[in-house]
Amino acid sequence: QVQLQQSGAELAKPGSSVKISCKASGYTFTSYYISWIKQTTGQGLEYIGYINTGSGGTNYNEKFKGKATLTVDKSSSTAFMQLSSLTPDDSAVYYCARGIGGFAYWGQGTLVTVSS
Amino acid sequence: DVVMTQTPVSLSVSLGGQTSISCRSSQSLVHSDGNTYLYWYLQKPGQSPQLLIYKVSNRFSGVPDRFSGSGSGTDFTLKISRVEPEDLGVYYCYQGTHYRTFGGGTKLELK
Repeated sequence: QVQLQQSGAELAKPGSSVKISCKASGYTFTSYYISWIKQTTGQGLEYIGYINTGSGGTNYNEKFKGKATLTVDKSSSTAFMQLSSLTPDDSAVYYCARGIGGFAYWGQGTLVTVSS
Repeated sequence: DVVMTQTPVSLSVSLGGQTSISCRSSQSLVHSDGNTYLYWYLQKPGQSPQLLIYKVSNRFSGVPDRFSGSGSGTDFTLKISRVEPEDLGVYYCYQGTHYRTFGGGTKLELK
């Protein structure tokens, strides 16, 4: 069965970076893009961007350019999102999801907390 | 950005009852390819969102026929009939026609 397994919760200091992983299984990894979505209580769900898992090409929501960097390791069927120059506003649950439209499969979410 | 406005923000319903959620977009969601990329998701407490409806009115695999989606252009509706306990949670609309945006969510609770 299709699964997206995300890495565990992160506690980070302001100004630092974190890298979240999303390991796919149960399907051909390079056949589907991977999208990333941010969820906060205040802002709800926000689309961050996607990565073409075959070519590594990326597309970002303007709001997240410079904040998020999406990469992929085809050999391990894993997508990554690095968040840089963290501020408290980056505290959220981050999800990976398969595809770029109807997200039929989601990871379980990774909680990132930014605090000094 | 296309703004997706959901109403109401919260909804109380009796088990076995019927309800509907509205989603309005600030621009038409008809894509140049003729499709309308409007989706509905349900997020149950403590879980990731799950896909219910794709392209306005198509139920995703395994979604009961108690859920139905309709609409066109900028106005869309999700109807839930014969509400069951597992239907409770927060419903989101989402558009993929323009740069992707979600609605603010509608929380469905028991009356």
